[in-house]
Amino acid sequence: DSGVTQTPKHLITATGQRVTLRCSPRSGDLSVYWYQQSLDQGLQFLIQYYNGEERAKGNILERFSAQQFPDLHSELNLSSLELGDSALYFCASSVEGEGGQNEQFFGPGTRLTVL
Amino acid sequence: LAKTTQPISMDSYEGQEVNITCSHNNIATNDYITWYQQFPSQGPRFIIQGYKTKVTNEVASLFIPADRKSSTLSLPRVSLSDTAVYYCLVGYNTDKLIFGTGTRLQVFP
Repeated sequence: DSGVTQTPKHLITATGQRVTLRCSPRSGDLSVYWYQQSLDQGLQFLIQYYNGEERAKGNILERFSAQQFPDLHSELNLSSLELGDSALYFCASSVEGEGGQNEQFFGPGTRLTVL
Repeated sequence: LAKTTQPISMDSYEGQEVNITCSHNNIATNDYITWYQQFPSQGPRFIIQGYKTKVTNEVASLFIPADRKSSTLSLPRVSLSDTAVYYCLVGYNTDKLIFGTGTRLQVFP
């Protein structure tokens, strides 16, 4: 158990819909990262927040957005969903802000299926 | 971006030592080298991190030559439970990290 929690575990929805994925980082970790993993794309970095502020941005679509709240939990919002958005979405956390220097602790993931 | 190249897959038998090499020719001065392990449908798990020379922890060793253009993850005496995908990451800033496709290690009895 990494100490990072993600809800829900599974999500099934239809194209065009909007969903929100939630992540609670390990106690004391200020950084939260979001990743998308699909079969054909591998693990793709989406976005990082550090102590409430956006820190780094990866290949995140404009239809996707995220935020980190004062209690440090984070939410990833996916809208106008398409079939290709079906994937595993992982959240990770670390103590400090540099993802390359710090050990990232990954949550169990949310499996999103878009029908 | 520090592009990494690692073998797509490797096979081994229980009890053997496994060495997975990652090539990263354009590594930058402040880049760290980090290895993660991932089991199916689970999030990656940190194995080891290094900057130069050799690092050892309770599960693995990481060998980094002086030019830092490659690195080798060494898993001593693997077991069936080490069957997983292993990712080599090189970078410092988050947005420069690329997980890539990793190395799929299959351990046979």
